[in-house]
Amino acid sequence: DAKTTQPTSMDCAEGRAANLPCNHSTISGNEYVYWYRQIHSQGPQYIIHGLKNNETNEMASLIITEDRKSSTLILPHATLRDTAVYYCIVRLFGNEKLTFGTGTRLTIIP
Amino acid sequence: DSGVTQTPKHLITATGQRVTLRCSPRSGDLSVYWYQQSLDQGLQFLIQYYNGEERAKGNILERFSAQQFPDLHSELNLSSLELGDSALYFCASSVGRGITYNEQFFGPGTRLTVL
Repeated sequence: DAKTTQPTSMDCAEGRAANLPCNHSTISGNEYVYWYRQIHSQGPQYIIHGLKNNETNEMASLIITEDRKSSTLILPHATLRDTAVYYCIVRLFGNEKLTFGTGTRLTIIP
Repeated sequence: DSGVTQTPKHLITATGQRVTLRCSPRSGDLSVYWYQQSLDQGLQFLIQYYNGEERAKGNILERFSAQQFPDLHSELNLSSLELGDSALYFCASSVGRGITYNEQFFGPGTRLTVL
């Protein structure tokens, strides 16, 4: 699985959009981009995934660049409950394990 | 609530001992995964079972073993415990193989403390 690079930490004001970047410059054509988050010491929670098209669900949007070397997770209206560590994971289709990096610690400021 | 249950929530034991962690997957999920989260190593994949068979192995120590039973619940056995085994152990489940995407649902974890 390709490696990912994320900023160690970020702050975002409550109510604003939180944009979390992820670099995955060695991604290959059949690798998907996944985002999970972990609130405090709870089990990680799936957010969204994509291959090459932008994706949106009720939690977030995922923007993948045309060359697929980077992506951005967007939480449109951040709330205090979005404070968590966010993990960007690149995973080969058919490979079911998740390889977690160090993630981005997102703090939502009231 | 992810639908994945893990017991016990907390476990305190001594070095050299053996413990068993239990996981019940979501109803209908055939795959079970075990992950370890320690302060120095982060979240690491240990092992996966699919419908009773071992499917993938990660950085699981030889002192650790797992199995998945016919009712699909899984147990992770940790033996000859060392101080460094203190960690959060997460179980996750998913529908299984053969589909494009396999979202994993994580349980609340078992916090193991080895004294």
